[in-house]
Amino acid sequence: GIQVEQSPPDLILQEGANSTLRCNFSDSVNNLQWFHQNPWGQLINLFYIPSGTKQNGRLSATTVATERYSLLYISSSQTTDSGVYFCAVDNNAGNMLTFGGGTRLMVKP
Amino acid sequence: DAGITQSPRHKVTETGTPVTLRCHQTENHRYMYWYRQDPGHGLRLIHYSYGVKDTDKGEVSDGYSVSRSKTEDFLLTLESATSSQTSVYFCAISSPDRVFYNEQFFGPGTRLTVL
Repeated sequence: GIQVEQSPPDLILQEGANSTLRCNFSDSVNNLQWFHQNPWGQLINLFYIPSGTKQNGRLSATTVATERYSLLYISSSQTTDSGVYFCAVDNNAGNMLTFGGGTRLMVKP
Repeated sequence: DAGITQSPRHKVTETGTPVTLRCHQTENHRYMYWYRQDPGHGLRLIHYSYGVKDTDKGEVSDGYSVSRSKTEDFLLTLESATSSQTSVYFCAISSPDRVFYNEQFFGPGTRLTVL
């Protein structure tokens, strides 16, 4: 099956700093999503982005499907950005997501 | 919120007992999924449904069964719970046949502990 790798696995930032999270995948995809899992365990949809670039406030994402990677940018980080960020992809008609291992982000005040 | 609820939210049970988790949606999405989340493994698909009474296995289906008798409800059953099934279980929904709408949305999760 498709392999999904996220980097870095852990990231510590000072409030106000910017960061880039990366997701590499091993095959072509027809669905790519970024999620934020908050400290209470809730999975929050950030982006549905199988290709192209999207922005939502301080967050933006870019997927380069031909090169099999996606990037999540967090600007002016806040303590509420802490948690785990997951990339998940699907490459078949069953729409079954395969998740990466996540990036654990801690933003310090 | 995508209109997904899971019940119970927390459950502690003993090895060998049957357990049923419920996922309920109010969005009329055709597809529903059950995932489990374990430390070091991320989320992995257990079973999914692509319509009423239509289900299929995912990556980690052994020891689990599912049923979907109506669009809004998807049940996950552990016939005889084992300690290895201690996990957090997430339900998800999507409608991949809607044009430009292939996004999955997740419920709040159920934390299951098998003693």
